[in-house]
Amino acid sequence: SQQGEEDPQALSIQEGENATMNCSYKTSINNLQWYRQNSGRGLVHLILIRSNEREKHSGRLRVTLDTSKKSSSLLITASRAADTASYFCATDGMEYGNKLVFGAGTILRVKS
Amino acid sequence: DSGVTQTPKHLITATGQRVTLRCSPRSGDLSVYWYQQSLDQGLQFLIQYYNGEERAKGNILERFSAQQFPDLHSELNLSSLELGDSALYFCASSGLAGVAGELFFGEGSRLTVL
Repeated sequence: SQQGEEDPQALSIQEGENATMNCSYKTSINNLQWYRQNSGRGLVHLILIRSNEREKHSGRLRVTLDTSKKSSSLLITASRAADTASYFCATDGMEYGNKLVFGAGTILRVKS
Repeated sequence: DSGVTQTPKHLITATGQRVTLRCSPRSGDLSVYWYQQSLDQGLQFLIQYYNGEERAKGNILERFSAQQFPDLHSELNLSSLELGDSALYFCASSGLAGVAGELFFGEGSRLTVL
């Protein structure tokens, strides 16, 4: 089962541009996390935002959370070719028990 | 390097066979999670162990089983393999019993069933 759905499925931008990815989920959550996966590699944690937080920053990353709309967005500013990867949101909440449920991901390609 | 070690990295086997995937968590982490990643199903949570005990169960088939040993390493056993079991199998670890924190993922074991 997948709780989160990322949008768009794929995104292609030029180096230096900003990339925005969105995640929508279905049930109430405790936390939402974003992970990055380089092709065929393991996932790497980027950022965690709690349900009572609205915005969080980490370096070039900015995450927002709107629990009323059940959605989150990940903004990567001044993108680099090395940001090319798949990005997944993952949520945990009562509905899914003690499980971290991942969305289908957004494939980001940054062209140099 | 996440500190999570998975072996083997690649495995090719035939339908009907049985394989064992191994995971060593980060030093000190008590929780181990197993995920399956395939093109059609995405990342699916299979099972979690915390300090040797099963903590949460996901979409794990009856043909699959797992355990966590006293030294905290974990093994995922896949039996009566079918073509559809071909996937990347990830192990992740964390220091928490719950999922309210960061998971550290290994590089995965790529299973190909022919």
